[in-house]
Amino acid sequence: AQTVTQSQPEMSVQEAETVTLSCTYDTSESDYYLFWYKQPPSRQMILVIRQEAYKQQNATENRFSVNFQKAAKSFSLKISDSQLGDAAMYFCAYRNPTSGTYKYIFGTGTRLKVLA
Amino acid sequence: NAGVTQTPKFQVLKTGQSMTLQCAQDMNHEYMSWYRQDPGMGLRLIHYSVGAGITDQGEVPNGYNVSRSTTEDFPLRLLSAAPSQTSVYFCASSYLVGGSLNYGYTFGSGTRLTVV
Repeated sequence: AQTVTQSQPEMSVQEAETVTLSCTYDTSESDYYLFWYKQPPSRQMILVIRQEAYKQQNATENRFSVNFQKAAKSFSLKISDSQLGDAAMYFCAYRNPTSGTYKYIFGTGTRLKVLA
Repeated sequence: NAGVTQTPKFQVLKTGQSMTLQCAQDMNHEYMSWYRQDPGMGLRLIHYSVGAGITDQGEVPNGYNVSRSTTEDFPLRLLSAAPSQTSVYFCASSYLVGGSLNYGYTFGSGTRLTVV
């Protein structure tokens, strides 16, 4: 079964510093998609970044970037120049387009605290 | 630009009561789904739809019904509420590009449901 593991229930970072959130996944597929979602205290889930497995280049969105290591099945999220507004739960998600099912598989989340 | 609108935001039910959680989107997304979020368990798919008149079960469908009579609306019905259904419920929608669900969800802001 395909699974997504986020081994860090909680992380802290000083404002303006860099933090990396870990995500590993288990799959036998070669073509898939990976996502990071942010859930602030307002509860709304927001797509932060998306990675296509067949693309070797790591995705970036402003201060957010990923370190995608396909062989290791690792998909970590790096947040640079952390801001107070980055405090949230972060969820990693996996999508297998050939699974025949219409769903994403989510990890259990990492709570990020940003210290002023 | 409303996106995905969920109502209500909070609800308390007594065991055995029924209710409907509403979800509406104005982006003409073909795909709509309901997830529940429980502490330490990430998000789990309840039901989904790939178009008006088409619905299917996800991982945890028991105790819930859905229908999709229009592209815009996808209500979730709790038939006889149980304490185990205490959770945060999210509606998510997406385009289906070539029938694929690979571009990320747009989420509603969630409904916090407590069953006593």
